[in-house]
Amino acid sequence: DQQVKQNSPSLSVQEGRISILNCDYTNSMFDYFLWYKKYPAEGPTFLISISSIKDKNEDGRFTVFLNKSAKHLSLHIVPSQPGDSAVYFCAASPRTSYGKLTFGQGTILTVHP
Amino acid sequence: DSGVTQTPKHLITATGQRVTLRCSPRSGDLSVYWYQQSLDQGLQFLIQYYNGEERAKGNILERFSAQQFPDLHSELNLSSLELGDSALYFCASSVAGQGMDTEAFFGQGTRLTVV
Repeated sequence: DQQVKQNSPSLSVQEGRISILNCDYTNSMFDYFLWYKKYPAEGPTFLISISSIKDKNEDGRFTVFLNKSAKHLSLHIVPSQPGDSAVYFCAASPRTSYGKLTFGQGTILTVHP
Repeated sequence: DSGVTQTPKHLITATGQRVTLRCSPRSGDLSVYWYQQSLDQGLQFLIQYYNGEERAKGNILERFSAQQFPDLHSELNLSSLELGDSALYFCASSVAGQGMDTEAFFGQGTRLTVV
């Protein structure tokens, strides 16, 4: 039972345009949501997070939107840069154990110059 | 560099053997987490330790065990290894065990190959 789903295995975007990565979850106990970025041969790197009491969080070029009723979150990257090319993981954790992350399968983002 | 150190980086061993993976958390972090990333399962949470005590458990096999020592480093022991245990094993650490400020910082992982 996959509780966090990233339905798009890959996304290709032109440099300067917007990248939108999507994530759906099924567990109502999830209270905190995060996005991680991963380059080959490296561990995941924390990017941005949002708690369930908010619907938007912004950090520079990165914005995460949360729609609790739809159990959906998205990561917007504007403008996209070639250095953003990586695997992006959505993750969620319950209020009772914030470190116990459930990850999605990841989306490979490729930003073309 | 996340500040989380994992050793060894690569490990090749035979079926039936036992291995120990080591993790040193970021300075000041009390929580250590272990994750397994295999090709077909993605990143799976295995277990969390907080200040030496087990805090949360995921889908960790009985053949696997972990501990966190007084100096806060952690070891993941994998025994009776099977081909399907081949995976990347990540350690992560965070400041606290609960609360909003618990973004986990990941090490570079140990790639285990069971032959």
